Amino acid sequence: DTGVSQDPRHKITKRGQNVTFRCDPISEHNRLYWYRQTLGQGPEFLTYFQNEAQLEKSRLLSDRFSAERPKGSFSTLEIQRTEQGDSAMYLCASSLDPRGSPLHFGNGTRLTVT
Amino acid sequence: AQSVTQLDSQVPVFEEAPVELRCNYSSSVSVYLFWYVQYPNQGLQLLLKYLSGSTLVESINGFEAEFNKSQTSFHLRKPSVHISDTAEYFCAVSDSNYQLIWGAGTKLIIKP
Repeated sequence: DTGVSQDPRHKITKRGQNVTFRCDPISEHNRLYWYRQTLGQGPEFLTYFQNEAQLEKSRLLSDRFSAERPKGSFSTLEIQRTEQGDSAMYLCASSLDPRGSPLHFGNGTRLTVT
Repeated sequence: AQSVTQLDSQVPVFEEAPVELRCNYSSSVSVYLFWYVQYPNQGLQLLLKYLSGSTLVESINGFEAEFNKSQTSFHLRKPSVHISDTAEYFCAVSDSNYQLIWGAGTKLIIKP
């Protein structure tokens, strides 16, 4: 069990550029979650996958955000035409089973949009 | 809609003193309750959870939390804190779809 890994750890981009983040969950975990966290706040849910199926997407999520999990293993989160308000920590988590199973988080990708 | 309230954004406490971090939730259904800890520049880690059974749950590093259904609370306590406990602590509740609803977090600041 190598844990959840996220890449990159930090990303600085100019407004209007596209960015893509990667998450590798714990291998046997079938659920994968993306969250966003800003200073002084708890994680804000973005979307989650059960295997390769994207089962829920936050209504607050702009259509500039898209996530994929093509083979039910790693996942990517893309933000198109980034805005300064997108600056945040993007967290990925995975879990085995939803019934009370804890989430295992990666260390996050910190995005700064200048 | 469910919500989680962590009333204290920061709790300063002297080393070796006891601490309580408060968490209240609103829910009309049975829930699962969690405390997660986030150390500086790291992701969140599960500290402890309540699913069913005994209302008092403990972590391996001396924290405990008690589920109080009548007060809809799940406060986190430790009888004697250490400098290494400096972190941000998040309370979370699962909703009927087993999605987690998060509190805003409480920063635990240990004073030497």
